[in-house]
Amino acid sequence: KNEVEQSPQNLTAQEGEFITINCSYSVGISALHWLQQHPGGGIVSLFMLSSGKKKHGRLIATINIQEKHSSLHITASHPRDSAVYICAAPYSGGGADGLTFGKGTHLIIQP
Amino acid sequence: ETGVTQTPRHLVMGMTNKKSLKCEQHLGHNAMYWYKQSAKKPLELMFVYSLEERVENNSVPSRFSPECPNSSHLFLHLHTLQPEDSALYLCASSQFIQGEQYFGPGTRLTVT
Repeated sequence: KNEVEQSPQNLTAQEGEFITINCSYSVGISALHWLQQHPGGGIVSLFMLSSGKKKHGRLIATINIQEKHSSLHITASHPRDSAVYICAAPYSGGGADGLTFGKGTHLIIQP
Repeated sequence: ETGVTQTPRHLVMGMTNKKSLKCEQHLGHNAMYWYKQSAKKPLELMFVYSLEERVENNSVPSRFSPECPNSSHLFLHLHTLQPEDSALYLCASSQFIQGEQYFGPGTRLTVT
């Protein structure tokens, strides 16, 4: 089973700050997922990436396949970015299965 | 409706009850998943279906029984559950097994 570790577990920042959340995994993968979970439970997929970097609005995700490491960055953070951010990788690396998840980073952006 | 829907959104059941959770996806996807999220724990994979065939059963107790009658519907049948089974149960779908996953809103289950 792929082991996924995230850091930090909790992060409180001021509005406008640049945010970085880190993720590492133990088994080589085909793609890594970043998800966002709001209070109440709803989960939204932010990125699925297998190499390099992806950008969507103020969110940027990068991955280093050799180092088995990914980062999620938020530029010009805003209180509406407050949520739990979850990193996920294929359960067994690249096989025909679902995802295994990190514990999540609970992000609070204060006005 | 669009996306992935789940019913009911909340369920309270006794340990001797039998109930079912329903998931429906309107995205034309071929893979569907059940995940469990317990308090203070990461999401856990329970079952994976691809083209209506189960491809993964992640050591889930037999009191949870999945059913996928077609590529748009997924059920989780529950019987003789334990209080520790209280959790948020999330359904997801993807176009193919390793594709981007779309999640339903979840069913909040409480076992009394």
